[in-house]
Amino acid sequence: AQSVTQLGSHVSVSEGALVLLRCNYSSSVPPYLFWYVQYPNQGLQLLLKYTSAATLVKGINGFEAEFKKSETSFHLTKPSAHMSDAAEYFCAVSDSQAGTALIFGKGTTLSVSS
Amino acid sequence: EAGVAQSPRYKIIEKRQSVAFWCNPISGHATLYWYQQILGQGPKLLIQFQNNGVVDDSQLPKDRFSAERLKGVDSTLKIQPAKLEDSAVYLCASSPLPNTIYFGEGSWLTVV
Repeated sequence: AQSVTQLGSHVSVSEGALVLLRCNYSSSVPPYLFWYVQYPNQGLQLLLKYTSAATLVKGINGFEAEFKKSETSFHLTKPSAHMSDAAEYFCAVSDSQAGTALIFGKGTTLSVSS
Repeated sequence: EAGVAQSPRYKIIEKRQSVAFWCNPISGHATLYWYQQILGQGPKLLIQFQNNGVVDDSQLPKDRFSAERLKGVDSTLKIQPAKLEDSAVYLCASSPLPNTIYFGEGSWLTVV
């Protein structure tokens, strides 16, 4: 069975600091991996996805993530945090071969202080 | 292009009452999903449709939840009778291709 673990339910950074949100996955088949962002009272917006092409994936709003098979990780980073980045972030995995539904982690709340 | 539409956005009901949520996916998307997101948790799949057929409903509490997708377009998710623990956001999503999924803004349910 597939699963994702997001390390740290809450991350706080200062504006301009590096953002690092951690995600480790478990999958017996080659996975597709995703990061979504959720702003208050809104649905999920796709930030980026890994679908077995380049291991370094660039997404919207300056975010990127690197797929590391040896570490079973797909951590999300952004060089410089903005106040507008404050939101809930979810890592998700799906089975690349079967096209199954996404399985989400529990989420990480990112707070950005001025 | 219009996104995934859901209604109602907010609903408050008493326990043991019933409620229904409606979803209109993006035009042409064959796959439709319903997810349940309880406060402080990640979304959990309830049911996945491919056109008007069910692909996966293994996590749908079938004693109280039902869903249908007539004609392979719109979908309705019903809860009857509701319990306090059903308070959550119900997210509908649609997909034209595997692993390309678009979410609606969700329907917020509070059961009191």
